Formats: sequence, structure tokens, C-alpha cells
Amino acid sequence: QSALTQPASVSGSPGQSITISCTGTSSDVGGYNYVSWYQQHPGKAPKLMIYDVSKRPSGVSNRFSGSKSGNTASLTISGLQAEDEADYYCSSYTSSSTLNWVFGGGTKLTVL
Amino acid sequence: EVQLVQSGAEVKKPGESLKISCKGSGYSFTSYWIGWVRQMPGKGLEWMGIIYPGDSDTRYSPSFQGQVTISADKSISTAYLQWSSLKASDTAMYYCARPGTGTTAWDYWGQGTLVTVSS
Repeated sequence: QSALTQPASVSGSPGQSITISCTGTSSDVGGYNYVSWYQQHPGKAPKLMIYDVSKRPSGVSNRFSGSKSGNTASLTISGLQAEDEADYYCSSYTSSSTLNWVFGGGTKLTVL
Repeated sequence: EVQLVQSGAEVKKPGESLKISCKGSGYSFTSYWIGWVRQMPGKGLEWMGIIYPGDSDTRYSPSFQGQVTISADKSISTAYLQWSSLKASDTAMYYCARPGTGTTAWDYWGQGTLVTVSS
């Protein structure tokens, strides 16, 4: 079961916007609207930031938004803040595995 | 309040067995899937498997099938991840997680259990 493809790292300055991509196939990202994004700070458990492609859980800042086009999902963070510096992982439902869930490889966001 | 509380850190030798736990509270334990996720040192998240405590339906990632066993005891609202013979490569942080209500996304996470396997 192949992981979804994310860039290893992205960076941006405070106040800027950045976008993290997550590329899969028609068996996962492209086939279902079940893409979610997780934020993980060092030494902490992952935190759900976006689910079902573009929905935000209660309490998550509206600076975080999600979208999808074809087999690629994206997480956009606007108005970057120092506290956004973390690792970000996408995950998708997949029909190509007995487990039905797959993660991306993760993206390290650096706020310059 | 929904909580997943995992058992404490473990230090084991290669070849030893181990069972770590994830206790759910604040919700109906039998009504939600519980998933297990591995994070090796400095690496990304990997799905290992999931279990539905209501009927013990269990599914494994092909990478972990046969390598670990996932189970649950609904009488004490606890899910388990176990190894029969640990390897050094099992050294990792292990998280349990639960989906949110009405979503397929994993909204609740345990604090993680660090497993160190070293001779």
C-alpha cells in the first residue's frame, strides 16, 4: 500500500500563505471525498485540522482550508503564524488496501 | 469528554512479547472504530490496523498483517496492540485514534506509547 505523496518541506514567512499538496490515485484521493489533514508538533500526538476534504473541526482556525482537484488534495494555511510550524500529514480513504486508510509521507512546515 | 489513554512507555529485548493498551472513556466504546498508528523515530505516520469493538471486526495494513495482533475488551473499554516476538525495528511511538462523530476522520488521539526494543 503506497503512501500518498507530499512535499518533504515547505516554508513561508509570518503572514504569508502556503499550500501543501497530497497526491494519490483514483483509488484514494481522487475517488473519495474522505481526505483529512493532521498537524503534529514535535513530541505531540497528531491533531485533526481538516476532514472530508474541506471541513474544519470545531476549534480549528479558519486560516486552515482544504481543497481537492482530481487526484491531488491541498491544505492551505493563510496568515502564517510561528505556531503553525509543525509536520502536516494527509490521509485518505482507499479502496486499494484491506485497511482502507493511507497516510501521506508528511511535510515539514517551517515558518521563517 | 472523549479520552483515549494509552499505557506507559516500554523497554523490551528482542524476542520478548508485549501488549500495549488504549482505554476509551466519555463515549460508547463499542460504537466507534479504534485505529493504531506507528511512528518510527524521525519518520512519518503509518496505519497499522483498526478494530470495531462492537463486533471485533479487525483489519490490518498489509505491511503489518501477521506482525501484530489488534484486539479489544469491550467490558473494560480497552483496545490492545500486541507483539509475540519483538524486533529492534519495532522501536517506535504507537498511537491509538478514534474517528469523530459522523465523520471518517480520526479526531481523537491517545497520547502515544513509546516502545523501545534493544538488547
